[in-house]
Amino acid sequence: AQKITQTQPGMFVQEKEAVTLDCTYDTSDPSYGLFWYKQPSSGEMIFLIYQGSYDQQNATEGRYSLNFQKARKSANLVISASQLGDSAMYFCAMREGRERRALTFGSGTRLQVQP
Amino acid sequence: ETGVTQTPRHLVMGMTNKKSLKCEQHLGHNAMYWYKQSAKKPLELMFVYNFKEQTENNSVPSRFSPECPNSSHLFLHLHTLQPEDSALYLCASSQDGGLGETQYFGPGTRLLVL
Repeated sequence: AQKITQTQPGMFVQEKEAVTLDCTYDTSDPSYGLFWYKQPSSGEMIFLIYQGSYDQQNATEGRYSLNFQKARKSANLVISASQLGDSAMYFCAMREGRERRALTFGSGTRLQVQP
Repeated sequence: ETGVTQTPRHLVMGMTNKKSLKCEQHLGHNAMYWYKQSAKKPLELMFVYNFKEQTENNSVPSRFSPECPNSSHLFLHLHTLQPEDSALYLCASSQDGGLGETQYFGPGTRLLVL
């Protein structure tokens, strides 16, 4: 079974609108961290936001927020007030346990912001 | 230089060539990673180094040989590659931080094997 599932290969949003990118995860470890990265066409992976499994509140970073629903094992990224520069691939990733340092990534969602 | 740098940014090589990818991090981190990103596939972890010691090898073929001489530098030596090895190779680094330990990535090397 896939550890990280992103079911939306592509999404369109109008400039200044909000958009939600879906991510579900699968783990039996009670300790885990969830990350979202943005990858523009240049290739570099840019860290956006982090949510820990024990965090009580949803994470927020500027226009990015994470809708964390632990019971449903979902960690959706919400981008508010979309900008043209938000057009990129977005990846959800997970670290399982405190010992393992590697991340497992989903297949990504391509977001296109339209003027 | 700041962050994580990778050279070269683009590389074309034949199947009989030997080449090396270089990664350098200027963040004072103690862990470094190699990932492979093929078209239409999720990022795949290749190797993890912690304080210069390899801690993970994700069943990578021996034609990929990593080297980590110190905590700031990471190399990926390539020899007798196959066309299916064409991909974007991303280097990342991180510092001990528990579950919230964030990996910072370089711009990647786009490799084409002919």
